[in-house]
Formats: sequence, C-alpha cells, structure tokens
Amino acid sequence: KAGVTQTPRYLIKTRGQQVTLSCSPISGHRSVSWYQQTPGQGLQFLFEYFSETQRNKGNFPGRFSGRQFSNSRSEMNVSTLELGDSALYLCASSDRGITDTQYFGPGTRLTVL
Amino acid sequence: AQTVTQSQPEMSVQEAETVTLSCTYDTSESDYYLFWYKQPPSRQMILVIRQEAYKQQNATENRFSVNFQKAAKSFSLKISDSQLGDAAMYFCALNTDKLIFGTGTRLQVFP
Repeated sequence: KAGVTQTPRYLIKTRGQQVTLSCSPISGHRSVSWYQQTPGQGLQFLFEYFSETQRNKGNFPGRFSGRQFSNSRSEMNVSTLELGDSALYLCASSDRGITDTQYFGPGTRLTVL
Repeated sequence: AQTVTQSQPEMSVQEAETVTLSCTYDTSESDYYLFWYKQPPSRQMILVIRQEAYKQQNATENRFSVNFQKAAKSFSLKISDSQLGDAAMYFCALNTDKLIFGTGTRLQVFP
C-alpha cells in the first residue's frame, strides 16, 4: 500500500495570509490526525478526524481548523498566519482511530515571513 | 495530565554496540499504548516499536526491544547491534485519546 502523502511539501507565506495543507491517508484508513512540530514546543497534537467527524482537538487557537472528506483525505487550514506558526506539520493515519498505531506522512514545512 | 519525559537529549553509541534510550510517562488511564518513533534527517516519522499496556511481555522488533515497567511508568528502548542508519531523533509517545510525545533523544552512531 502507498504511504501517507502530504502536499505541498514546502510552503512560504507571509503574516496575515491563510494556508491549506492536504493529507491523503493510507488506503483504507479512516482516521487522520495532525501534529505541529517546532523546535520550541516539540510535537503537539492538533486534531483528529474519523469518518469526516472531528473526534479530538488539541490546545490550539481557532485559527487552526480542519476537515475530512468522504474519501478520508483531510485538509488543515490556518488563517491569519503568525510568525509562530512556522513549523513542520505532520499528518498521520490509522485504521481504527487515534488509539491505533499512527503512520506518518513526510510533513509540510511551513515558513511564515 | 498526561506527560512523557525523555531525560537524555543526546546519546551516542559505537557501531555494533548496544544503547538504551530512557522514557518515563504519567497517565491515570489503565488502558493505553506506548510507542517509539524514529525521525531521521528526512523528518519522516517512522514507527519503531509498539507496546500495549495490558501486555506484560516486552515488545521486540528485530534489533529493537523495550523494557516496559508499568508500575514504575517506564518504557525504555534498547537498540542492539547499532548501525549507522540508526542515527536519528527518537521519540517516545503515549497514546490514550491522543498521541503525546516526549522531547526526543538524538542518537549518534559512530563507526
């Protein structure tokens, strides 16, 4: 099976803009989770979607949102970008949900100028 | 609150030797999972090993094994016969309703 794919791999935006990141899970996986990785805060959970429903959310402001489509592909949106949003955004998929083994994509490197 | 602590920011090992990475965690849940992930310079997170909390037997995957001490809330990773390709950041993670990561241990492997 193909692994988790994320697009784009690299992105440069300016403060105040918005951005949409995409994640395609492993075929058959119904759960997609998003994580933010920064040197200062480490790896932090953003949210999990399962069968198009958000099941869990981390401690991030409302500027961070997501959705999942019927084919399990997921998008994450960040509005009104701030410099601190510069990070590696990782997507992971699993079959049964967040408690199942998470398989990660290669990440999207977002730089906010 | 659930926490994961990796107290060794960096470790080094000679090729073919054995190294142990430490991890402690805290949770009030009785049912949970523990993982070790490896993140090489490519930044791709790769699953190394998984342990179910209800299983007393320590998980093993080829050269990788864990020492799971549930009462002590300890979950260390042993890498045997270290190889140059093992050099990476290693993250310990606790999974109850979401994946909580430790701060990572950077492993260097010297020839």
